Amino acid sequence: GENVEQHPSTLSVQEGDSAVIKCTYSDSASNYFPWYKQELGKGPQLIIDIRSNVGEKKDQRIAVTLNKTAKHFSLHITETQPEDSAVYFCAASYYGGSNYKLTFGKGTLLTVNP
Amino acid sequence: SAVISQKPSRDICQRGTSLTIQCQVDSQVTMMFWYRQQPGQSLTLIATANQGSEATYESGFVIDKFPISRPNLTFSTLTVSNMSPEDSSIYLCSGGAANTEAFFGQGTRLTVV
Repeated sequence: GENVEQHPSTLSVQEGDSAVIKCTYSDSASNYFPWYKQELGKGPQLIIDIRSNVGEKKDQRIAVTLNKTAKHFSLHITETQPEDSAVYFCAASYYGGSNYKLTFGKGTLLTVNP
Repeated sequence: SAVISQKPSRDICQRGTSLTIQCQVDSQVTMMFWYRQQPGQSLTLIATANQGSEATYESGFVIDKFPISRPNLTFSTLTVSNMSPEDSSIYLCSGGAANTEAFFGQGTRLTVV
């Protein structure tokens, strides 16, 4: 089955700096890679996703890059703000059949210091 | 995006009892899933809730312990049976459709004493 590795487990940055979180996956059949943000006491919230036919996707201060050959994808947050502080999870899945399920990384606790 | 509501949001239960968690989606979704999240940990898939048929369980999870129902496309329940303190966790419902995003409920925080 799929295995997703996520690094780092914790990340502390100063407000205004950039943050990068990296994930690798094992199953070359995976073709969908979402990122979730989870704030304390809440469920995971989808913030951005990318499919394997795209190398990069951007949404305001958030971007995701995908390298299919190396089987890794990264989340980039620019101009970080204190409200970006949360746990971020990457995930991988295969979309295209009648069934799919997400395999999650272990999460990254991001702290943005004012 | 789909809105997923879970009830209860939290509960404290006695060991040996059972708790049923409800999940309601505001639109029809093909897929519904149940996850467990231990404090400070990642999400572990318990099972896929199939409409009108038995759920598909992941390795390490069994129907007798976590019976699941899904009577229609917008509603599912997860029961945690014969609870022990090791079952203390956050239980999350997720819904989506093939080739679309998966959304999560707020979770049910369960404490077993």
